Amino acid sequence: KAGVTQTPRYLIKTRGQQVTLSCSPISGHRSVSWYQQTPGQGLQFLFEYFSETQRNKGNFPGRFSGRQFSNSRSEMNVSTLELGDSALYLCASSSRWSGRTGELFFGEGSRLTVL
Amino acid sequence: AQSVSQHNHHVILSEAASLELGCNYSYGGTVNLFWYVQYPGQHLQLLLKYFSGDPLVKGIKGFEAEFIKSKFSFNLRKPSVQWSDTAEYFCAVNEGGNEKLTFGTGTRLTIIP
Repeated sequence: KAGVTQTPRYLIKTRGQQVTLSCSPISGHRSVSWYQQTPGQGLQFLFEYFSETQRNKGNFPGRFSGRQFSNSRSEMNVSTLELGDSALYLCASSSRWSGRTGELFFGEGSRLTVL
Repeated sequence: AQSVSQHNHHVILSEAASLELGCNYSYGGTVNLFWYVQYPGQHLQLLLKYFSGDPLVKGIKGFEAEFIKSKFSFNLRKPSVQWSDTAEYFCAVNEGGNEKLTFGTGTRLTIIP
């Protein structure tokens, strides 16, 4: 079974630009979550999508947005990039079995550098 | 807001030594508890999990963790570490009902051959 696939793996942007990251979950998984990982703040929850609906959102500004498609693939977008947005963005998928939430399968991440 | 504390930032052990990594969380309700591991150059992966039942849970590669509700703790243990256990270990808590995980800051474990 293929794992969680994230593209692109690496990208460099400049301040003010926007970026779109893509995530393909494990086949059959309908929940996709996004996390930001930085040396200073660690792993922080961005948002979760299930059945094309945002189910939960972390404490990030509105510049961070996402969506999920009918095939469960997800994208996240960051607009008006700031230097502090440089991070590893991790996507995770799950089957979201009721009562057993939190068991996530992570991708390798998209490393964003903002210059 | 819920928080997770990992007491050790960097632990260095020799092979065959015993390991215990501390984890405490702040949420007072029912939680699901996890340890995730990130080996060098690899993606974050689940090491073990606790949802309910026996508070002593066993995971992959000989790791185990004990949930002590009265202490809000979920410490990770391994009786005898190997060089291949070198990795970063993250404790995480989930309140249930969604997939939001609150992670600790991580503990970097270095095993000296």
